[in-house]
Amino acid sequence: EIVLTQSPDTLSLSPGESATLSCRASQSLSSSFLAWYQQKPGQAPRLIIYGASSRVTGIPDRFSGSASGTDFTLTISRLEPEDFALYYCQQYGMSPRTFGRGTRVEIK
Amino acid sequence: QVQLVQSGAEVKKPGASVRVSCKASGYTFSSYSLCWIRQAPGGGLEWMGWITPYNGNTNYAQNLQGRVTLTTDTSTSTGYMELRGLRFDDTAIYYCARGGGSGYRYWGQGTLVTVSS
Repeated sequence: EIVLTQSPDTLSLSPGESATLSCRASQSLSSSFLAWYQQKPGQAPRLIIYGASSRVTGIPDRFSGSASGTDFTLTISRLEPEDFALYYCQQYGMSPRTFGRGTRVEIK
Repeated sequence: QVQLVQSGAEVKKPGASVRVSCKASGYTFSSYSLCWIRQAPGGGLEWMGWITPYNGNTNYAQNLQGRVTLTTDTSTSTGYMELRGLRFDDTAIYYCARGGGSGYRYWGQGTLVTVSS
């Protein structure tokens, strides 16, 4: 099973700042099958990035994803108030599909 | 538009079974896998398994093998998740999501299953 390790657990930032979230896979993973989700309290997760770097239609371009080997990064530039939420990475290339434990982006 | 609408909240006793439904609309049901994910209170996302409606193939998380069964009814575009031998730590929100090669873009609204004596 591929284990995804997200860091940090929590990011405390102010609106307007940039956030860098990390997701490291325990073994080689095709970038084609790495996704990022945003989840707010009481809501289902929302897909924001798939294929490591492809933004879902309607997601603002301040969200970007990148990959380097087994390291994946979600960057949120110029944080808006609605961006403060939980973020999960997921690999969907191998079974079992697995999620990271999440990174909380909170208002400082 | 694509929609996944799940059945309502359930309260079950330990040892009982629960079945959650997920009715799909807005796309060809047989063309995409249907995945199930759960989230314990205050916890992270746990992938449970998927099913391909057109042939009924399934793949389950190892820790749930033997207790979970995923099925679909293509005539009504509905997927079902049955979990047996419920334990207190099965208390969670259960989600269905449409699978595919681009992540899980569409999710149901979630179904809270509470296991309580």
